Amino acid sequence: QQPVQSPQAVILREGEDAVINCSSSKALYSVHWYRQKHGEAPVFLMILLKGGEQKGHEKISASFNEKKQQSSLYLTASQLSYSGTYFCGTENQAGTALIFGKGTTLSVSS
Amino acid sequence: NAGVTQTPKFRILKIGQSMTLQCAQDMNHNYMYWYRQDPGMGLKLIYYSVGAGITDKGEVPNGYNVSRSTTEDFPLRLELAAPSQTSVYFCASSRTGQGVNSPLHFGNGTRLTVT
Repeated sequence: QQPVQSPQAVILREGEDAVINCSSSKALYSVHWYRQKHGEAPVFLMILLKGGEQKGHEKISASFNEKKQQSSLYLTASQLSYSGTYFCGTENQAGTALIFGKGTTLSVSS
Repeated sequence: NAGVTQTPKFRILKIGQSMTLQCAQDMNHNYMYWYRQDPGMGLKLIYYSVGAGITDKGEVPNGYNVSRSTTEDFPLRLELAAPSQTSVYFCASSRTGQGVNSPLHFGNGTRLTVT
């Protein structure tokens, strides 16, 4: 049931773009995205609900393709502050709790 | 508004000892969760609760117990600590749960070492 994230790690220079993918083997009602900085708690970025909506947060946006059971997180013109580990979360079988992928580590350098 | 508060921040246990990790939220959220995070790994769901008096197992419940007697509190109990339980534990809460269509609010975590 755990969603699968790819890639595992991304290394960027400031201003470059990145895409992080999240896929599930089960039908989805929602996909969450969180960012975690080293030594800190995960912080909510956005929720995508079924319907294929594209949501945005600063220069970070995401899409949700419920037919393909996939979501993608788009980071454009990356900044140093974008460094961290990004997790996608999908609901469990009962639809009552969030199961997270293993994460994608993003490193942005100047 | 404190959000989700976890205590203690750090703890070292000897093998076989017991302890309770405390979690409290002041947002009147019905749903609460416990996750563990091992170094370089993602978050694994231990237990969760959809309301006072209701708890359910997550992905990795063995070795843990929970209770939810009030909306605010969701303690996690380790009965016989083992080195495999060395981890960072995060408590989280959310307003609603069906379809998990509300953000999870995380506490700052408890770093537990079992030696």
